[in-house]
This record gives sequence, structure tokens and C-alpha cells, in this order.
Amino acid sequence: DIQMTQSPSSVSASVGDRVTISCRASQNIKSQLAWYQQSPGKAPKLLIYAASSLQSAVSSRFSGSGSGTDFTLTISSLQPEDFATYYCQQTDSFPSTFGQGTKLEMK
Amino acid sequence: EVQLAESGGGLVQPGQSLRLSCSGSGFTFGLYDMGWVRQAPGKGLEWVGVTRSETYGGTTEYAASVRGRFTISRDASKIIVHLLLNNVKTEDTAIYYCVRESPHSEYVPFFDSWGQGTLVTVSS
Repeated sequence: DIQMTQSPSSVSASVGDRVTISCRASQNIKSQLAWYQQSPGKAPKLLIYAASSLQSAVSSRFSGSGSGTDFTLTISSLQPEDFATYYCQQTDSFPSTFGQGTKLEMK
Repeated sequence: EVQLAESGGGLVQPGQSLRLSCSGSGFTFGLYDMGWVRQAPGKGLEWVGVTRSETYGGTTEYAASVRGRFTISRDASKIIVHLLLNNVKTEDTAIYYCVRESPHSEYVPFFDSWGQGTLVTVSS
């Protein structure tokens, strides 16, 4: 199975900051990567697919980049509602796998 | 509007079975991969498996941790997806989310619609 490793596991930031979260795949997954946001007590929400495509109705503050094994999710100017946990998912091969998550906390 | 609603969660003893159901509305069920993702208390997301759309012949794919114990199926009317959990273990304790693939998915789906989740607790 393909292993997905996110870094950091947690990050502290302030409203207005720019934040970057990384996701590394254990093998080449081309651009087959999705990012999700999960707020406490809620179901996850799709943000980005195909590494860099923004899901409909998602704020343009969110952007994704990368291909192969290294990927990045960037939030350009943090808003209060962005403090949540973020997960990457590889969609290159079955079984699909998620990263362990990155918790974005308010400083 | 796409809506997914899970049911069937609860307390089950180790080694026993439980069936979860997911009903959907707002889309044509048979045209989409449907799946399950779980989340143990305080932990991250774990991909459980999917039932493929008619395009892929309705086959199923599973995570290694549940293969041989869990079964995903669609009912005859194809408007409900089931997850049968057999021989459950304490580590199967989790919120189980029903998910629908995004129309932008290629071969392996990602998920644009999620249910609210149903809690399964495995304990004696």
C-alpha cells in the first residue's frame, strides 16, 4: 500500500498568516492527490483534487501544488474558520490511503 | 442537493457482526462509486473500501485491515449501500462515514459528499 506522510503533525498560526502543509507519498502518485478539511465534530470537506484543482465553492485562499511524491497545501491568509485538521488522500491506486492529518491551531 | 445518511451503528461485542446502511438522495446511485471511510476516536481518517459504479462493473475494493471481514454491497434497488462488519475487533471502534465519489474522480475516487457518520463501538 502507498503510505502518505504529512508534516507537520500540528502547526500554530494567527489570522492573516500564510500556512503551508506538506504531504509525501511513498511512491510516485503523479498528480493523484486530494486534500480535505475537517472541523471538530464535522465530516471532512473536499478542498483540492488532482493536486491543484480547487473544488467548487471552496475559497481561493486554498491552493495545492506538487506531483510525483511531494505535495503542498497552502492557505494564503488564514481566516478563523480555517483552524481545523487537514488530510491528504492518494487516489493513484487501490487501496486508497490518507495521511495522518495536520492540525492547524490558533496561536 | 446530494445527501447521504448512515444508520445501523451501535454497540457490538468482539467477534460479532453489524450492518451499516447508507441511503442517498439527489443523484443517481448506480452512476457513482460509493464507499466508507472511518475515524477512530481522536484519530485520523482511514479509507475502508468502495463499491464501484456500473462503469466499473460494481466491483469492490477494500483496505487490508478489513479485507475478508467487511463486505460492501448495494441493494437490489441500488439506492442503499451496506457495510457488513463481520468478526469485529475493538480496533474497529470508529465513526463510519458513507461517501460518494466526486464526478471529477479518475480511476480511484476521491469524495465530495459525506454523510454525518454513524458510531460503531466494539466492546464486551
